[in-house]
Amino acid sequence: EAQVTQNPRYLITVTGKKLTVTCSQNMNHEYMSWYRQDPGLGLRQIYYSMNVEVTDKGDVPEGYKVSRKEKRNFPLILESPSPNQTSLYFCASSPPGPSSYYGYTFGSGTRLTVV
Amino acid sequence: RKEVEQDPGPFNVPEGATVAFNCTYSNSASQSFFWYRQDCRKEPKLLMSVYSSGNEDGRFTAQLNRASQYISLLIRDSKLSDSATYLCVVNRQAGTALIFGKGTTLSVSS
Repeated sequence: EAQVTQNPRYLITVTGKKLTVTCSQNMNHEYMSWYRQDPGLGLRQIYYSMNVEVTDKGDVPEGYKVSRKEKRNFPLILESPSPNQTSLYFCASSPPGPSSYYGYTFGSGTRLTVV
Repeated sequence: RKEVEQDPGPFNVPEGATVAFNCTYSNSASQSFFWYRQDCRKEPKLLMSVYSSGNEDGRFTAQLNRASQYISLLIRDSKLSDSATYLCVVNRQAGTALIFGKGTTLSVSS
């Protein structure tokens, strides 16, 4: 089944403890991206990647890192999580070319709480 | 001004009603346009892409007016299962991340 898989689905952690949220897609997509969703603010882009070793900042990159060493994986790293990073996170992927034909496929989300 | 703006609603309609959602975007260089549907904090799912010529998928019709920077979604014969949040989404450039409106909530009642 074609899908984007995020892990973990739920995570409660403490301030300052490094964590990684994994994202993997099995569709051989070039494009991958991370979003966070907060009440009243909607979905906002954190980072995106157009291919292996090609990443760029979205609108809210502060406090996050990403890497794209393989096409299928795009982990989101929080080096020193803070309570304002408590949010619902989504990873998404898309094939290249005019994305109007394809849209993006989203993972099921990771609900992160930082205490 | 937000890059993508939608009326947040909620829209409360009876089954069988026709409902229209509107969206405006501010970046005239935007290249791709979509409507996504999101159920109760689950992942967004692509409902349909939006083209300048307009496009239809069953009960759903989407329109794009590039001159006015305006996108619309029309749902005919609403079903209970259409209850969800509808997200207007714009892509500045292929491969870059998507820009989401805050969503319009639809509630269809029997």
